[in-house]
Amino acid sequence: DTAVSQTPKYLVTQMGNDKSIKCEQNLGHDTMYWYKQDSKKFLKIMFSYNNKELIINETVPNRFSPKSPDKAHLNLHINSLELGDSAVYFCASSQGGLRDNEQFFGPGTRLTVL
Amino acid sequence: RKEVEQDPGPFNVPEGATVAFNCTYSNSASQSFFWYRQDCRKEPKLLMSVYSSGNEDGRFTAQLNRASQYISLLIRDSKLSDSATYLCVVKWSGGSYIPTFGRGTSLIVHP
Repeated sequence: DTAVSQTPKYLVTQMGNDKSIKCEQNLGHDTMYWYKQDSKKFLKIMFSYNNKELIINETVPNRFSPKSPDKAHLNLHINSLELGDSAVYFCASSQGGLRDNEQFFGPGTRLTVL
Repeated sequence: RKEVEQDPGPFNVPEGATVAFNCTYSNSASQSFFWYRQDCRKEPKLLMSVYSSGNEDGRFTAQLNRASQYISLLIRDSKLSDSATYLCVVKWSGGSYIPTFGRGTSLIVHP
């Protein structure tokens, strides 16, 4: 009965590779997000999609490309991985916009770039 | 740059203690405030929203001080299971309500 799920949970890869992380939510929410949590534990929003449309893009390098095939899925593709991309990536969802709505987070994908 | 600052701790307290964390924010136009809890190597989960008049949920009390631009979280009668990192989250309309997270305050409750 996982509400927000992500795959894979762990991802270890070499610099320069391209990788994807998948996210699915079964809560019926219309807004989904990608966050990055770095080694200093700061959690920063990267993207937000509402009903498959991009509504937030927070100065993320264009090597990162989100894709939302439907409102229950928001995948993240990363090209030409760099050492600094190592972090935990969390997917989240909410019903409605950001103002007062609780966000539900997935379990995270721990990405290590060697 | 809009900042949300938290003392990273760790706060080391015995079971049954009362502990309080503060979180300061730099943008006076901030409008929505929350506390999230994150267990080690897990995802953040909403603990409680913070309302202007202050609010309580069991052993947890959240307060907002707009004049001094901080929010607080008070935990009474600490349990071992309260051990976690507590993240402060602030949003404002001028920022499209994009959440700004603090780096979190680590709490360790020991027997």
